[in-house]
Amino acid sequence: QKEVEQDPGPLSVPEGAIVSLNCTYSNSAFQYFMWYRQYSRKGPELLMYTYSSGNKEDGRFTAQVDKSSKYISLFIRDSQPSDSATYLCAMSEGLTGGGNKLTFGTGTQLKVEL
Amino acid sequence: GAVVSQHPSWVICKSGTSVKIECRSLDFQATTMFWYRQFPKQSLMLMATSNEGSKATYEQGVEKDKFLINHASLTLSTLTVTSAHPEDSSFYICSAIRDTSEKLFFGSGTQLSVL
Repeated sequence: QKEVEQDPGPLSVPEGAIVSLNCTYSNSAFQYFMWYRQYSRKGPELLMYTYSSGNKEDGRFTAQVDKSSKYISLFIRDSQPSDSATYLCAMSEGLTGGGNKLTFGTGTQLKVEL
Repeated sequence: GAVVSQHPSWVICKSGTSVKIECRSLDFQATTMFWYRQFPKQSLMLMATSNEGSKATYEQGVEKDKFLINHASLTLSTLTVTSAHPEDSSFYICSAIRDTSEKLFFGSGTQLSVL
C-alpha cells in the first residue's frame, strides 16, 4: 500500500463547475499538507499549504484536512480552462526545512472544458 | 513567491555521455535543495537532499556515483548524470527551501532524453 493514495484521473469537468480533488494517506504522523499544481513538463507550483486539521481558503481554492480520517481535499470553485493541470497532494511529518521529506501523491489530471 | 531557476529545460544526449543540470534560487538563499525524478503519469520521487557545503544524502536505490550532486553555494546546486543510458531518460526537478521554512519551491524541470 502506498503511503499516499491519489486517483490519477483524468477528471473532466465543464467550465464553472466545482472541482473536488482528494488524497488519502496511511501515515498518522503527517502534519503538514500541501497541494501543488503542475502543468505539463513544468515544475510543481505550490497552491495551498495547511498544518494539521481544518480548512484554508485562498481565492477560488479551499483546502481541507481531516486527520481523523487521514483524508485531504482541494476544492476549486468556478473552475476555468486555465485550471487544467495535474494536481499533486504532498505531505510531511515535520518542517521540510528541518530535514523532513515530502511524500507526494501520483497526481490527478484535471481538464476543464469550455 | 520564491523563484527557483532550473537549466536546461531540455537536453538530448548520446548514451555514455554526462549531463549537468543546474538549479538556482534567484531571490533567496537555499540552505537545502532537493532533487526529484518524475516518470510520465507518476509522482515525484525524491532522489537526494543537498545541503550547502556538505555531501548530499541519497535515497535508497539511488546510485550516488551515477547522480553526482554538488551544492557549492547557498544559491546553486547541480546534478550530473554520469554515463547516461536510455533508462535515465526522465523529467528531473529540483526544489529549494528558504531557511527553515516549510514551503518548498520547485524549478521548472529538465527533460532528459538519452539516445
